[in-house]
Amino acid sequence: KNEVEQSPQNLTAQEGEFITINCSYSVGISALHWLQQHPGGGIVSLFMLSSGKKKHGRLIATINIQEKHSSLHITASHPRDSAVYICAVEYGNKLVFGAGTILRVKS
Amino acid sequence: NAGVTQTPKFRILKIGQSMTLQCAQDMNHNYMYWYRQDPGMGLKLIYYSVGAGITDKGEVPNGYNVSRSTTEDFPLRLELAAPSQTSVYFCASSYVSREQFFGPGTRLTVL
Repeated sequence: KNEVEQSPQNLTAQEGEFITINCSYSVGISALHWLQQHPGGGIVSLFMLSSGKKKHGRLIATINIQEKHSSLHITASHPRDSAVYICAVEYGNKLVFGAGTILRVKS
Repeated sequence: NAGVTQTPKFRILKIGQSMTLQCAQDMNHNYMYWYRQDPGMGLKLIYYSVGAGITDKGEVPNGYNVSRSTTEDFPLRLELAAPSQTSVYFCASSYVSREQFFGPGTRLTVL
């Protein structure tokens, strides 16, 4: 069974700060997903990656397959980035989710 | 495209009642999923389907049933509702090994 651990559980940042959220998993996977859950509850996919690094706007996701670790970075954070960020690992056509990181960015 | 739609948005059930949560997608995705999200916990997979007529259990299937008669629809049936089924339910869909698209969720309370 794959265990997915995210850290930190809660994060408060000042606007403009660089933010890192970490995700570790226990067994081999085919891909790793980062998702964002808005305060209203909606969930959107941010990244799906199986190696290396991906960038979209101010968001960067990296994965190290050997270390079974991924990071999500937010550059120049903004209050609208306040949300829950969820890491999920994919294996066997299914996703196993971490508990999420609650991010609050203060202006 | 409407994406993934779910109905109802909210529902209160009494213990022992039954209901069906509806999910539909218009992206012609072959994979569909039902998750539940409890406070402070990660999403848990209830059931999933890899195509019309094919369903399989996820991590927490007890107390639920599904069917997939068409590519578009994937209803989740709750029989004999229990307080432990109080949760937020999300439906999602995807192509194989691609990002998942989530519906807006159904908030269910069982009293």
